[in-house]
Amino acid sequence: AQKVTQAQTEISVVEKEDVTLDCVYETRDTTYYLFWYKQPPSGELVFLIRRNSFDEQNEISGRYSWNFQKSTSSFNFTITASQVVDSAVYFCALLNTGRRALTFGSGTRLQVQP
Amino acid sequence: GAGVSQSPSNKVTEKGKDVELRCDPISGHTALYWYRQRLGQGLEFLIYFQGNSAPDKSGLPSDRFSAERTGESVSTLTIQRTQQEDSAVYLCASSLVGSPSNQPQHFGDGTRLSIL
Repeated sequence: AQKVTQAQTEISVVEKEDVTLDCVYETRDTTYYLFWYKQPPSGELVFLIRRNSFDEQNEISGRYSWNFQKSTSSFNFTITASQVVDSAVYFCALLNTGRRALTFGSGTRLQVQP
Repeated sequence: GAGVSQSPSNKVTEKGKDVELRCDPISGHTALYWYRQRLGQGLEFLIYFQGNSAPDKSGLPSDRFSAERTGESVSTLTIQRTQQEDSAVYLCASSLVGSPSNQPQHFGDGTRLSIL
């Protein structure tokens, strides 16, 4: 069985603060893929990153960075110097090879106050 | 089109009525997915289409739910005899051909369904 847990339901920060969104997953597969999606107030899901289970290199894209640790089954997402436009619900998702659909966490609502 | 297009964007209907939701995937994307998102929750997988293969219906919650896809284009999700618990946002996604693991799914804006 596969499961994704985002324990933080809601986080509120002030602009320019750094914030980390936690994601813990469960799977028995050795090959799998992890994703982060952003869902702004407008509702559409925006793809942010995909990471396969064999690549534990951390990744940085502008103010976004991701820390993948297989030892703790975590794939955390950090926003540096947060901005109001970062306010959204962020979903972590897991895809096992052989399955076709993403397993989503329940999401973390990030509110960035000006 | 440039992105996944869903219609209608909002649908309000009375309990017991049938509804039909439409999804137009990104041109060239052979894989198409339907998900349901209840208020404040993550997405639940409903059904998956890949080219001409038999669809994966393993996520459909009951026999009141069905979906069709015409070739590699438009898909319709039908909910018969709607119930209040069907109220949710229904999201459609598409991805390129090939292993679904390698291709990100691109989502539409969703249809917000409200059952009175």
